[in-house]
Amino acid sequence: AQSVTQLGSHVSVSEGALVLLRCNYSSSVPPYLFWYVQYPNQGLQLLLKYTTGATLVKGINGFEAEFKKSETSFHLTKPSAHMSDAAEYFCAVSSTSGTYKYIFGTGTRLKVLA
Amino acid sequence: GAVVSQHPSWVICKSGTSVKIECRSLDFQATTMFWYRQFPKQSLMLMATSNEGSKATYEQGVEKDKFLINHASLTLSTLTVTSAHPEDSSFYICSAPGLAGGLASTDTQYFGPGTRLTVL
Repeated sequence: AQSVTQLGSHVSVSEGALVLLRCNYSSSVPPYLFWYVQYPNQGLQLLLKYTTGATLVKGINGFEAEFKKSETSFHLTKPSAHMSDAAEYFCAVSSTSGTYKYIFGTGTRLKVLA
Repeated sequence: GAVVSQHPSWVICKSGTSVKIECRSLDFQATTMFWYRQFPKQSLMLMATSNEGSKATYEQGVEKDKFLINHASLTLSTLTVTSAHPEDSSFYICSAPGLAGGLASTDTQYFGPGTRLTVL
């Protein structure tokens, strides 16, 4: 069985500060890992994904995440927060079995302070 | 590319009526689509997997007679909430992964913008 844990349901950072959103997963098979962003009353937009290959993946809007198998983590970072980054962020895991069903974390709401 | 649309974006209905929500993959084909439900300030809960040309697969605890799913073509899945009640009010989101050889990645799900259902 797979699961995802996002530590911190709410994270506040100052504009220009480092953004760090934490995601840990458990999976009995090699996972695919994803970060999505959701703005109010909208669907989910893919930020980045890890499937195979390089463990440091870069996404849109300056975000990146590193897959660390030994720590079963896939934390999302951005060097400098912007006001427009305020949103809900979801980490998700799926298996490589072909079903591509996602298991979502509970989400982290990012607030950016001026 | 790889756009998923939903219609309507919001709907208000009276208790006891049925509501149909459409999910379309606009520029890629999808033999599988997923339907999620999201309560305010909560994560997405997978309701069912919609399979083109066959019956949907429902997650545990989801009433299949309540939430009818039809995947009539490679670009369209519909979710019908039958005899809706206020507790069915929620944000419904669909998603679709791409097919091999197509425009969309097979390992990534593309999400629709969601449909806000309010049952009075």
